[in-house]
Amino acid sequence: SQQGEEDPQALSIQEGENATMNCSYKTSINNLQWYRQNSGRGLVHLILIRSNEREKHSGRLRVTLDTSKKSSSLLITASRAADTASYFCATDGASGGSYIPTFGRGTSLIVHP
Amino acid sequence: EPEVTQTPSHQVTQMGQEVILRCVPISNHLYFYWYRQILGQKVEFLVSFYNNEISEKSEIFDDQFSVERPDGSNFTLKIRSTKLEDSAMYFCASTTVKGGATQYFGPGTRLTVL
Repeated sequence: SQQGEEDPQALSIQEGENATMNCSYKTSINNLQWYRQNSGRGLVHLILIRSNEREKHSGRLRVTLDTSKKSSSLLITASRAADTASYFCATDGASGGSYIPTFGRGTSLIVHP
Repeated sequence: EPEVTQTPSHQVTQMGQEVILRCVPISNHLYFYWYRQILGQKVEFLVSFYNNEISEKSEIFDDQFSVERPDGSNFTLKIRSTKLEDSAMYFCASTTVKGGATQYFGPGTRLTVL
C-alpha cells in the first residue's frame, strides 16, 4: 500500500505559532496532495506536489517532499484559530498506473486563540 | 468559484433499505469519484467514473453499490440494501483529468443506517 500516514496524530498550538505536520508513505508516488477537513465537512484541497518537485508554497503554507525518505511535510506559518482542522496527505502511486489518492488518518490541529 | 454539491446533507435510513446519494460535479469536469469516511477514520476510495463507466473501484465497492450519471449534471451513488456498517460520510469529488490534478470534494452526505 502506498498509503500516507500523518504524524503527529494531534497537534495543539497557540495562535501565531507555526505548525508542522509530516506524512510518510511506502511506495513510489506520482503526486502527493494535502487536504484540510473542518469537523464534519468535506475536504478542501491545499497543495499538490509532484514527485519531481521538492518544495511548494501557497500563502502561509509550505510543503516539502523528500522522495528518498518517502516523506512530506506541511508547514503552516503564523497559525490562526481558523486553521483548526484535520489535515490529510494523499498519495497516488507510480506503480500500477492508479491515480486514485490514498489518504492517511490525518493530523488533528487545534490552534488556540 | 464553481463547487461540487451533494444532496441530501444527512440521510437516515433503516437497515435493508435502498438509498441514493446525489452529487453535482463541477460542470467541465470529466472524472468523478465517490469516497466514504467512517466516523473518526480515514477517507476511503470507493469508485471512479469516466465516460459513463466505472474506471476503478475498491474492495469496498461490492455488488450492493452502483453509480450512475443519469443526465449531464448528476452523479449518483446507490446502496441497494443498506447495512449498519454503511453509516459514514460519503463524499463526491470531480476533476478535469485523471491523474495529477486537484480533486474537488463536495461537502458530503452523512448516512445513518439504523
